[in-house]
Amino acid sequence: NAGVTQTPKFQVLKTGQSMTLQCAQDMNHEYMSWYRQDPGMGLRLIHYSVGAGITDQGEVPNGYNVSRSTTEDFPLRLLSAAPSQTSVYFCASSSTGRSGNTIYFGEGSWLTVV
Amino acid sequence: AQTVTQSQPEMSVQEAETVTLSCTYDTSENNYYLFWYKQPPSRQMILVIRQEAYKQQNATENRFSVNFQKAAKSFSLKISDSQLGDTAMYFCAFIPPRAGNMLTFGGGTRLMVKP
Repeated sequence: NAGVTQTPKFQVLKTGQSMTLQCAQDMNHEYMSWYRQDPGMGLRLIHYSVGAGITDQGEVPNGYNVSRSTTEDFPLRLLSAAPSQTSVYFCASSSTGRSGNTIYFGEGSWLTVV
Repeated sequence: AQTVTQSQPEMSVQEAETVTLSCTYDTSENNYYLFWYKQPPSRQMILVIRQEAYKQQNATENRFSVNFQKAAKSFSLKISDSQLGDTAMYFCAFIPPRAGNMLTFGGGTRLMVKP
């Protein structure tokens, strides 16, 4: 199984550019989420989805958009990149709303905004 | 809102010795889950151990065990017989019931295992 796949792994953007971080999972998981990890900090929730067509904001949603048109994919869009969005981004998925279920993380996408 | 605090930014331990990483959290929930994740330099998030709040017995996974004190809202991780491969960032995380994968993370503890 591929698990949770994130692309690209590395990206450099100029301020003001837009881009999409891709996340795909092949486990038929309903729950997917995006986190960011700034240097020396823990992960913070950006957006999450509890199923196709349903998304909601997490702790730090400003500057990001998401959509969930299929169960498998949960792309994260940066509308107008800013240096403050330089971070490592993680996508995660899990099967149901039960909090004890195993949460699968992607390998991370390293984004630098110059 | 939940908060998770790890008060030790950095720790070191000699190989083969035991080390304990601290974590406290704040919540009004009665049932929830707590996790410890390991993040090596590759940045991969690796689940180390999981504790369910309604279980009084402390979770163990091989060399890793927790000391869960629900009343004190404390959740420490003990690593026995430390190995060089244990060098990593360790994150404590909390999730309330029916919250899918919406974790709240602490700020992390950087652990260095010295030969």
